[in-house]
Amino acid sequence: QSVLTQPPSASGTPGQRVTISCSGSSSNLGNNYVYWYQQFPGTAPKILIYTNDQRPSGIPDRFSGSKSGASASLAISGLRSEDEADYYCAAWDDSLSGPVFGGGTKLTVL
Amino acid sequence: QLQLQESGPGLVKPSETLTLTCTVSGGSISIVGYYWAWIRQPPGKGLEWIGTIYHRGSTYYNPSLKRRVTMSVDTSRNQFSLEVDYLTATDTAVYYCARRLVDGNGYYGPHFDHWGQGALVTVSS
Repeated sequence: QSVLTQPPSASGTPGQRVTISCSGSSSNLGNNYVYWYQQFPGTAPKILIYTNDQRPSGIPDRFSGSKSGASASLAISGLRSEDEADYYCAAWDDSLSGPVFGGGTKLTVL
Repeated sequence: QLQLQESGPGLVKPSETLTLTCTVSGGSISIVGYYWAWIRQPPGKGLEWIGTIYHRGSTYYNPSLKRRVTMSVDTSRNQFSLEVDYLTATDTAVYYCARRLVDGNGYYGPHFDHWGQGALVTVSS
């Protein structure tokens, strides 16, 4: 059971906007930034969003992040077939004194 | 370009000790401000942080694994390592090494910007 809670699946059609939620508690998301990772089968995760809403160089602005209280969201606009992947949220946990991850959301592009 | 590469056995027997090494190339493991981590992912499941080490040797472990885990660093070889004792089938996973960096505002969060390709470790007799 993951510390951060994500829906196991999400889907959308090309061009649509989809959002993936991530919920936590005061010891993690409530008091710390959220990070988002994208993972394709058989490959390592890749950082998509850091400190709630910042994109690393090379990440398209179709990807955006937000956080409010102990909940966060990843939004993908203009959905493309190549966005089909697993998405994980992550945050520092003050009780654990370490990072925690969500269980992951499998995004399907219909 | 920075690259990380895990190495170690793919199959380990229950109750034995797993030793994995991460070799860092294209950059120094001793750069101030960067931490080095191990993260694992059981087949079909999510990510779990195992621990983090700084090049000067300070370590930070997931409390759920702390009694069985030891991390070390060899700056002369630009490597860091992971040992997990008393393995069981639940330790079967892809083990990743990764670099954790500090964000522009000085915040140390779970920002892992470089990862190894991962090493599948199966615990079975």
